[in-house]
Amino acid sequence: ETGVTQSPTHLIKTRGQQVTLRCSSQSGHNTVSWYQQALGQGPQFIFQYYREEENGRGNFPPRFSGLQFPNYSSELNVNALELDDSALYLCASSNGQGAYNEQFFGPGTRLTVL
Amino acid sequence: AQSVTQLGSHVSVSEGALVLLRCNYSSSVPPYLFWYVQYPNQGLQLLLKYTSAATLVKGINGFEAEFKKSETSFHLTKPSAHMSDAAEYFCAVSDGGNEKLTFGTGTRLTIIP
Repeated sequence: ETGVTQSPTHLIKTRGQQVTLRCSSQSGHNTVSWYQQALGQGPQFIFQYYREEENGRGNFPPRFSGLQFPNYSSELNVNALELDDSALYLCASSNGQGAYNEQFFGPGTRLTVL
Repeated sequence: AQSVTQLGSHVSVSEGALVLLRCNYSSSVPPYLFWYVQYPNQGLQLLLKYTSAATLVKGINGFEAEFKKSETSFHLTKPSAHMSDAAEYFCAVSDGGNEKLTFGTGTRLTIIP
């Protein structure tokens, strides 16, 4: 069973650029959530996708957008990058809706915005 | 809105000593509570979760947590610390219905040889 994978591992962008982060969910999982973890902080919920539809969004501006594909992999897109977007971006997958379903986290993508 | 508060951003214990990491929650509905561990440069790994089945929850690596409704607490304990326990620990509460996790700010655990 393959776990959650994310790509790339690291990347560096400049302010104003756009970035796409990718996540492959664990086999059999149909729900993907994205979190932003700033340095020294806990992860913050960005949004969640369930069967290709957005299913909940945190307090993030519209320049944060996402997609989920038929194979349940997902992308996080961030436009007009700002310095404060520098963070570890975590993807988590689970096998359905329910507050107690375990979410399995990937290793994250570390984004640095200069 | 649900939230969790972790008391103590840094905790140091000697190897073999008791580990106690504190978490208090705020929720208007019965909460689902989680403890995650994060090792350097890695993602989050679930240690244990409370889903109302039992107030004392046992997790991996010898950790356990007790749900105390009267104290709105869900503290994490381990009887005897090991060097490999050094990591960042996060308490989280689930938003009922869509699995959104709200995390605390984390507690960095250092083990003193």
